[in-house]
Amino acid sequence: GESVGLHLPTLSVQEGDNSIINCAYSNSASDYFIWYKQESGKGPQFIIDIRSNMDKRQGQRVTVLLNKTVKHLSLQIAATQPGDSAVYFCAENIGSGGTSYGKLTFGQGTILTVHP
Amino acid sequence: KAGVTQTPRYLIKTRGQQVTLSCSPISGHRSVSWYQQTPGQGLQFLFEYFSETQRNKGNFPGRFSGRQFSNSRSEMNVSTLELGDSALYLCASSSQEGNTIYFGEGSWLTVV
Repeated sequence: GESVGLHLPTLSVQEGDNSIINCAYSNSASDYFIWYKQESGKGPQFIIDIRSNMDKRQGQRVTVLLNKTVKHLSLQIAATQPGDSAVYFCAENIGSGGTSYGKLTFGQGTILTVHP
Repeated sequence: KAGVTQTPRYLIKTRGQQVTLSCSPISGHRSVSWYQQTPGQGLQFLFEYFSETQRNKGNFPGRFSGRQFSNSRSEMNVSTLELGDSALYLCASSSQEGNTIYFGEGSWLTVV
């Protein structure tokens, strides 16, 4: 049959604003989560990760929040810059003790556009 | 430290042909996994290798295969190419289970 392209959620912000990108994950057994940034024509770039024994982790200008009760992950970007414009993916993995071995399950992605 | 390196970056093939893509992981990384990215399906897991053994496989037909060499470098092969195989093929590596997975820039395959 005819394939239908993914309709990615979009988020449009002004430079200097804070951005919040949300992701719902599917597998309650997932215990490792990663956020990737993908710019046009490039491969996914690691931003930040979090394990299921944590509910918050901070990096440089980024914070990831994990709510296992509702299987929800969010990425907060502080003082968003035009260079942050990209597609952002969350990914989940069943880590140690599981049999996922490098298998990441990706969300559909969110397009972030930052206006100067 | 060099990142994950994939070759070739771009290639065009004809339906029915086969293609081999190559991946060199980050030095010291022994796990290599492959993904297909298309506008319609997003990022999908193909397979993962560790110490020359395939440990996990996604839901792709047998036309998609791979292997890993003793130096951890990996190749994936797609035989009898179809138009729908046109995609960005991404290789990723990590040092061990549960560690960060880093991606290469990908190989853009167009099947005509």
